Amino acid sequence: DAGITQSPRHKVTETGTPVTLRCHQTENHRYMYWYRQDPGHGLRLIHYSYGVKDTDKGEVSDGYSVSRSKTEDFLLTLESATSSQTSVYFCAISGSGRSGSDTQYFGPGTRLTVL
Amino acid sequence: DAKTTQPPSMDCAEGRAANLPCNHSTISGNEYVYWYRQIHSQGPQYIIHGLKNNETNEMASLIITEDRKSSTLILPHATLRDTAVYYCIVRAWEKDSNYQLIWGAGTKLIIKP
Repeated sequence: DAGITQSPRHKVTETGTPVTLRCHQTENHRYMYWYRQDPGHGLRLIHYSYGVKDTDKGEVSDGYSVSRSKTEDFLLTLESATSSQTSVYFCAISGSGRSGSDTQYFGPGTRLTVL
Repeated sequence: DAKTTQPPSMDCAEGRAANLPCNHSTISGNEYVYWYRQIHSQGPQYIIHGLKNNETNEMASLIITEDRKSSTLILPHATLRDTAVYYCIVRAWEKDSNYQLIWGAGTKLIIKP
């Protein structure tokens, strides 16, 4: 398995509180991604990064921000958590991101519950 | 929206080959077909991908039709540990979405003893 860890693995928080999820990789891959997965659905892209300090929005970016200050870490922040952000969050990495044959590898996920 | 169509569920007997179909009739010439699986809410696991030729690796084989409008993932000797949701994904290759994997609902494959 690709060297990807996510922390925390589980978190319960209250509406209106800030939350930060961390993704850490040991593969020195350039591209990193944050997805969310809701029950019975496939994954949806929140934000991605194509290098240190280089990020862009995905399909469902509203209410989320990201930061990447070094290659190995990609942080996802919910500035003020809402119940609609209760979900499982997956981080992924890939080598180049700019090829149709570029493969994304996924972390184990973080289960976030917002009460 | 996902660019693929898969049956919602399938069964397969343990030890037999599991053949999972996927329809991608609107696929473009430079778009790859990817297969991932997800076992009980774990992170998705990459299986295989291909462009136009059939592909095989240690996990599975991918058969793509000549017109590229459909494909089949083959798990040659299914085990109980292959029970999972299998996702067929066409890698979007559009200017504003070329970093995305567009996920559908997948096929729930149940391997029966």
